[in-house]
Amino acid sequence: EVQLVESGGGLVQPGRSLKLSCVASGFTFSNYGMNWIRQAPGKGLEWVAYISSGSSYIYYAETVKGRFTISRDNAKNTLYLQMTSLRSEDTALYYCARGRLYFDYWGQGVMVTVSS
Amino acid sequence: DIQMTQSPASLSASLGETVTIECRASEDIYSNLAWYQQKPGNSPQLLIYDANSLADGVPSRFSGSGSGTQYSLKINSLQSEDVASYFCQQYNNYPNTFGAGTKLELK
Repeated sequence: EVQLVESGGGLVQPGRSLKLSCVASGFTFSNYGMNWIRQAPGKGLEWVAYISSGSSYIYYAETVKGRFTISRDNAKNTLYLQMTSLRSEDTALYYCARGRLYFDYWGQGVMVTVSS
Repeated sequence: DIQMTQSPASLSASLGETVTIECRASEDIYSNLAWYQQKPGNSPQLLIYDANSLADGVPSRFSGSGSGTQYSLKINSLQSEDVASYFCQQYNNYPNTFGAGTKLELK
């Protein structure tokens, strides 16, 4: 069974940093591109970042480019999102999701709240 | 960025009814479109990809169609478990972009 389990969220002050993790199981993690997608409370979905299976290709949404860094450790079956210079508008539920084009498996999400 | 305009924003329908949700792209996305269902308190789940291909395990009452800039999701014979929000997503160009969603409720 495919499972994606996010962790690392919490309450953080504006301007500070936070690192999210997503541990994958039930499939060969190193064969798949992975994404971070977020959903602000009561709002729609916003794609945040993508990393290819071997980390050769990385893309970011303009809203996070230069502040967020996506990475992965295929030996640990883990996806990461390093978030710096956090803003109130980054407050959201962050999902990791599998797929290069569309997203066939999603984690349960981890909440990030940016507030003083 | 490609803008995805989804309609209606909300929809109320009766059990057994057929429901259609529309998604319009700001430019041709060549059927590079997916649909997701998100039940309250849950993560989104893939329903349709490549505009009309049913994802694994999705009931056949769901179907997708369209081309160019216009796409639709149809739910035949609405069931109570279909109460959810539905989102379209284009993957023709980066950044991937989603529609604002359609909230489907029972009448």
